[in-house]
Amino acid sequence: DSGVTQTPKHLITATGQRVTLRCSPRSGDLSVYWYQQSLDQGLQFLIHYYNGEERAKGNILERFSAQQFPDLHSELNLSSLELGDSALYFCASSAGTGHEQFFGPGTRLTVL
Amino acid sequence: GEDVEQSLFLSVREGDSSVINCTYTDSSSTYLYWYKQEPGAGLQLLTYIFSNMDMKQDQRLTVLLNKKDKHLSLRIADTQTGDSAIYFCAESTGSGGYQKVTFGTGTKLQVIP
Repeated sequence: DSGVTQTPKHLITATGQRVTLRCSPRSGDLSVYWYQQSLDQGLQFLIHYYNGEERAKGNILERFSAQQFPDLHSELNLSSLELGDSALYFCASSAGTGHEQFFGPGTRLTVL
Repeated sequence: GEDVEQSLFLSVREGDSSVINCTYTDSSSTYLYWYKQEPGAGLQLLTYIFSNMDMKQDQRLTVLLNKKDKHLSLRIADTQTGDSAIYFCAESTGSGGYQKVTFGTGTKLQVIP
């Protein structure tokens, strides 16, 4: 158990819908990262928050957004969902930036 | 920019050694990591090496770093079926107070009984 929790574990929804994925980092970690893992594209970095502020953006679509709250938990919002958004979404946390990251168990999103 | 590359697939027999290779492009990396992902699970940190080291051993795992060639490898001795997983290498780079971690594409290790 990495200490990072993600909810929900599974999510099934329809095209055009909007969903919110939630992540709680390890106690004391200030950084939260979001990744998308699909079969054809591997592990893709989406976005990084550090102590409530956005620090880096990767290959994140404009339909996706994220935030980190004062209690350091984070949410990833995915809107206008498409079939191609079906993937595993991982959250990871680290103490600072560039340190080893601890991954949550992931949320499996299926868009029908 | 940072780029981390790995071969996609490796198959070994149980009891043999496995060697998973990784190349990276940014010579300013500070730490290099190996993560393991079992089916249906998140990535788990296996080991890491500081960029001024050449080798690190941790039980069955040996990490070798060749900074000149920007090549990192993970050797698993006496590979077991439980070692079947996807292995990701990653490098930590950056300056000015911000460090970024870039992951490779992952190598799927299949262990044949």
